[in-house]
Amino acid sequence: GDSVTQMEGPVTLSEEAFLTINCTYTATGYPSLFWYVQYPGEGLQLLLKATKADDKGSNKGFEATYRKETTSFHLEKGSVQVSDSAVYFCALSRAKTSYDKVIFGPGTSLSVIP
Amino acid sequence: GAVVSQHPSRVICKSGTSVKIECRSLDFQATTMFWYRQFPKKSLMLMATSNEGSKATYEQGVEKDKFLINHASLTLSTLTVTSAHPEDSSFYICSARDIPRTGENTEAFFGQGTRLTVV
Repeated sequence: GDSVTQMEGPVTLSEEAFLTINCTYTATGYPSLFWYVQYPGEGLQLLLKATKADDKGSNKGFEATYRKETTSFHLEKGSVQVSDSAVYFCALSRAKTSYDKVIFGPGTSLSVIP
Repeated sequence: GAVVSQHPSRVICKSGTSVKIECRSLDFQATTMFWYRQFPKKSLMLMATSNEGSKATYEQGVEKDKFLINHASLTLSTLTVTSAHPEDSSFYICSARDIPRTGENTEAFFGQGTRLTVV
């Protein structure tokens, strides 16, 4: 079945450092790919998404490119801030019907220190 | 974007009592809603798929009689944790998709989550 693998961390970075969180997936066909963020004590927020190969999702300085050939969707940010401290989930879903569930990776905890 | 509202956001209950969590799609109709559970520092695990007007589909290992799901309308699904015990303490999140138009993708929207603590 479909699955998502990502580096689990925790990842600790200094402010303004470069961030990469690796994500790979296993799925047949062309699922949609997502990054969700969960701030401490809160629910999930959609950070960015890509729906087809070579699409680049971007939001709040974060980017991720849908790479079909490597089945990857790595999250990057050029300069992290303390406010980016959160747990980041890579996810996939087939999005053609209302029955399609979202499958999550294990999550990566990010701490950014001043 | 569309909004999924989940209530309550936090609840503390005594062991042996039941707790109901509501999930509402505020500006769209959802024939299907999903219930996830998140253990501390862990990922979200799908518990069940809630179908409007029919029985929920539970994932393997999830007790149907413990976690009762009712999806009585196109905008409301409820999860009732029956005879709660401390091991049921967790973060529960619901999700819903709108009904897709032909050829278009649908997006999953998530509620704010409910933190259940059983004492």
